[in-house]
Amino acid sequence: SQKIEQNSEALNIQEGKTATLTCNYTNYSPAYLQWYRQDPGRGPVFLLLIRENEKEKRKERLKVTFDTTLKQSLFHITASQPADSATYLCALVVGGTSYGKLTFGQGTILTVHP
Amino acid sequence: DAGVTQSPTHLIKTRGQQVTLRCSPKSGHDTVSWYQQALGQGPQFIFQYYEEEERQRGNFPDRFSGHQFPNYSSELNVNALLLGDSALYLCASSPGLVTDTQYFGPGTRLTVL
Repeated sequence: SQKIEQNSEALNIQEGKTATLTCNYTNYSPAYLQWYRQDPGRGPVFLLLIRENEKEKRKERLKVTFDTTLKQSLFHITASQPADSATYLCALVVGGTSYGKLTFGQGTILTVHP
Repeated sequence: DAGVTQSPTHLIKTRGQQVTLRCSPKSGHDTVSWYQQALGQGPQFIFQYYEEEERQRGNFPDRFSGHQFPNYSSELNVNALLLGDSALYLCASSPGLVTDTQYFGPGTRLTVL
């Protein structure tokens, strides 16, 4: 069966450290994968997109990698700050007639302690 | 420029009732998708509207239906509400069907008692 799983429900780290979140999928061939941030009671906010033929993308303190052999994406936040505390969601898009349909993981709650 | 807006913010209904949720897409966007997010879970795709037609549908029963208007705004209707329909309902818009990024609204929190 098709599954998309994020490594843990919650991740706690100290301010200044690098947070690494994992997204694994099975029985999908995604055209691309996205990462979103969601604050309590709010809608998800787009952060980064990485395509199947890309290995790594960066945006300021954020970095995402994509390994289609391992069927895994890693999301890194360097020099983390308490303001980075939120739920982070990965979502994949298969493409073709399913283009635009996002399939989400369950999310990882990140807490950055001062 | 207003982003995606949704109404109402919160809604309480009882089992068996019907509900209508509304969404106005971001300016310049013509495609609207709806997602259901249960507590502690990721959003699940319900359906997508483009040119006033349902283009894709997720694994949701026929009790969930929608509509898109000529101004691109959209409604989600749920009939015969069940307790399990309690969730945050999210609307997302994008400029066209074949596009990478979707912009989400703040959601409507539906509670079914």
